[in-house]
Amino acid sequence: AQSVTQLGSHVSVSEGALVLLRCNYSSSVPPYLFWYVQYPNQGLQLLLKYTSAATLVKGINGFEAEFKKSETSFHLTKPSAHMSDAAEYFCAVSEGFQKLVFGTGTRLLVSP
Amino acid sequence: KAGVTQTPRYLIKTRGQQVTLSCSPISGHRSVSWYQQTPGQGLQFLFEYFSETQRNKGNFPGRFSGRQFSNSRSEMNVSTLELGDSALYLCASSLDTGRADTQYFGPGTRLTVL
Repeated sequence: AQSVTQLGSHVSVSEGALVLLRCNYSSSVPPYLFWYVQYPNQGLQLLLKYTSAATLVKGINGFEAEFKKSETSFHLTKPSAHMSDAAEYFCAVSEGFQKLVFGTGTRLLVSP
Repeated sequence: KAGVTQTPRYLIKTRGQQVTLSCSPISGHRSVSWYQQTPGQGLQFLFEYFSETQRNKGNFPGRFSGRQFSNSRSEMNVSTLELGDSALYLCASSLDTGRADTQYFGPGTRLTVL
């Protein structure tokens, strides 16, 4: 079975600061990894995904993530946080047949 | 292109009742997956349907069931509701081209069981 672990249920940053959300995976096969964002009272929106084409993946809204096999990590970063980035972020791994296994989520708080 | 739609958006039921939730996928998407989201258990996979067949199922009791119609629309049903079934139920659709597929999520149906 595949799994992902998100370190830190809450991350607080100031507006303009670097955002770093951590995700480590466990997989017996080459993983396909995803980052989704969820705003209050909404569904999930894809930020980016890793499909083995490139280790550095760029997504929407200025986010990017780097796949590091040696560290089994897929951390999400953004150089400069905006107030609008405040949301919950989920890392997920594909387990086949359209089944995603999600981490527990990290709530990003952005202060002015 | 319209996104994934889910109806109803909010639902209040009492213990012992049953409920049916509906999901309309993005046009052209043939795979529909369902997830349950709760504060305690997080996001958990319920089941997935493709071409009216359930291909994958999560670890939920038999009270949770679903189906898919020939137009790819899907419904899920929960019978004999329990308080613990209160959750946000999310539906996602995809083209089903492989493990790297993007799943597109609907806004969810918030079910409250009293």
